[in-house]
Amino acid sequence: QAVLTQPASLSASPGASGSLTCTLRSDINVDAHRIYWYQQKPGSPPHYLLRYRSDSDKELGSGVPSRFSGSKNSSANVGILVISALQSEDEGDYYCMIWHSSAWVFGGGTKLTVL
Amino acid sequence: EVQLEQSGAGVRKPGESLKISCQFSGDSLTKFWIAWVRQMPGKGLEYMGVIYPDDSDTRYGPSFQGQVTISADKSIRVAYLQWSSLKASDTAIYYCAKSSKVGINWGFDSWGQGTLVTVSS
Repeated sequence: QAVLTQPASLSASPGASGSLTCTLRSDINVDAHRIYWYQQKPGSPPHYLLRYRSDSDKELGSGVPSRFSGSKNSSANVGILVISALQSEDEGDYYCMIWHSSAWVFGGGTKLTVL
Repeated sequence: EVQLEQSGAGVRKPGESLKISCQFSGDSLTKFWIAWVRQMPGKGLEYMGVIYPDDSDTRYGPSFQGQVTISADKSIRVAYLQWSSLKASDTAIYYCAKSSKVGINWGFDSWGQGTLVTVSS
């Protein structure tokens, strides 16, 4: 089982909110990890969005709109990226990342379509 | 502002060697970790390893140990990724990225523009 699992795709309407999930393998406690989120658009490098561990330990990347936020569902062992008021420019691939067993691990990525 | 400037695209034949670079600018950048990340065509991001330029402490991701060499020259603020014998499966875009804080377990807040490596006979 993969360390981090993300749904391959997500579609949402402009103006709506979208929740992108990052499920940690059952033996890895989501509450013990900082989860990083990156956005990547075609032909561009990944762009740092935010880091979330808890409401008291979080950071929004420089220049990232406040429409982007992080959260967790501890009971489901899931990290969540919430994008409110979706815009067409939010389309792209989104990756989560954690530090696990002395190495960085990426999720497989979610392709977000706004239509 | 922190900038990571990567070397240009490289085309090699299988079995050839290659060394690509990541020039980092900004204050105290030798005090952060620089990572290398692979993205194969149409695929996701894969962590390859990190280096602390200040003392060249290097750690490799489990899939890349022994496959590549990561190094740095702090005097000229450059990190390197090199192969001694390329394979067609090494065809990918390679990104360097900088840790957001001083500490190996702090994620990346700046990325280079990527270097396309093509290995083909």
